[in-house]
Amino acid sequence: AQRVTQPEKLLSVFKGAPVELKCNYSYSGSPELFWYVQYSRQRLQLLLRHISRESIKGFTADLNKGETSFHLKKPFAQEEDSAMYYCAPKEVAGFQKLVFGTGTRLLVSP
Amino acid sequence: DADVTQTPRNRITKTGKRIMLECSQTKGHDRMYWYRQDPGLGLRLIYYSFDVKDINKGEISDGYSVSRQAQAKFSLSLESAIPNQTALYFCATSAVSSGSSYNEQFFGPGTRLTVL
Repeated sequence: AQRVTQPEKLLSVFKGAPVELKCNYSYSGSPELFWYVQYSRQRLQLLLRHISRESIKGFTADLNKGETSFHLKKPFAQEEDSAMYYCAPKEVAGFQKLVFGTGTRLLVSP
Repeated sequence: DADVTQTPRNRITKTGKRIMLECSQTKGHDRMYWYRQDPGLGLRLIYYSFDVKDINKGEISDGYSVSRQAQAKFSLSLESAIPNQTALYFCATSAVSSGSSYNEQFFGPGTRLTVL
């Protein structure tokens, strides 16, 4: 079965520290991958997608097919980055719907 | 602005009661989804609909049913609510993509349901 794993439920860092939120997937082929974010009292929203190779709010994510990973990184965390982050691969067959990981809560302390 | 709305935003009910959560969207999207969010379990798909005539079960559909009344409306029902259905429920929509297979999902604000 196609799976996505976010091993950390909580990641706590200090402001200015580097951040890496891990995501591993077990999909074969070339899945599309996304990161969604949910800030406190806000809706879940798209943060970035790997095909666009963009940097959003200082975050980047590189697809590593060899390690089947799509880790989310930011060199210097800010307090406003505190949120729940979900990795979401898209199914490569069938309805091609998103499959969300269990999420990682990032807490950035001053 | 085009939006995804959910009603009610909060609901407390008792075991055995029938509950309906409603989702409406003005984005003109064909695809609609219902998820529940639980601490430690993340976001899990309950049902999804790719158009008015298409309804599909997600990974945790037991105890739930849905109705796609129109392109813009997708309702989730709990026929006989039980305490472990206490959760935050989200509706989402996405467009049918053409060309590339990318289709961003847009989420509603959520409904917090408590079953006593």
